[in-house]
Amino acid sequence: GQQLNQSPQSMFIQEGEDVSMNCTSSSIFNTWLWYKQDPGEGPVLLIALYKAGELTSNGRLTAQFGITRKDSFLNISASIPSDVGIYFCAGPSSGTYKYIFGTGTRLKVLA
Amino acid sequence: GAVVSQHPSWVICKSGTSVKIECRSLDFQATTMFWYRQFPKQSLMLMATSNEGSKATYEQGVEKDKFLINHASLTLSTLTVTSAHPEDSSFYICSAGLLNTGELFFGEGSRLTVL
Repeated sequence: GQQLNQSPQSMFIQEGEDVSMNCTSSSIFNTWLWYKQDPGEGPVLLIALYKAGELTSNGRLTAQFGITRKDSFLNISASIPSDVGIYFCAGPSSGTYKYIFGTGTRLKVLA
Repeated sequence: GAVVSQHPSWVICKSGTSVKIECRSLDFQATTMFWYRQFPKQSLMLMATSNEGSKATYEQGVEKDKFLINHASLTLSTLTVTSAHPEDSSFYICSAGLLNTGELFFGEGSRLTVL
């Protein structure tokens, strides 16, 4: 079945640094969603992407829909302690409204 | 964005009992809702798709008799874990989407602990 692999699996960064993570698939996606999940809570939608090549920002977050439609990238600029959490990409399983989730990138920010 | 709410946020029960979790879309109508399960340090796994007015569709490997889903109205879906066992302990999260945008919004999650 379709799978979404995220890298890196985890990362430790200093406050103020920029962060970059990606999500790749073996098959094409028509929509990419990026989420952040804090411990013990449900995921919160950060950015939605709908077109190949699309670049969308939400504050310090920027996400891009890869040209091949098999990948997406999320960048966080000038990280702050509250950016700590797990970031997931998600996309609809082929021909359905059912979203599958990536493996997640765990981010830790050192003050 | 749209708001989805779950209740309860956590529940502890004895083995063999049944537990019901509610998922509500607060400011929009959702003909379809999705139930996910998440084990510690793992990603979200789709369990089933809840369809208003019809039977839920379950993902491969998910027991429909164990996880009963009812979607009786356009704003409420319920997941009942029947005859719960310790291995059913997990974080259960529901979601609902806006069909016109494809955005999917999640509830706060419900942590189930079966003793």
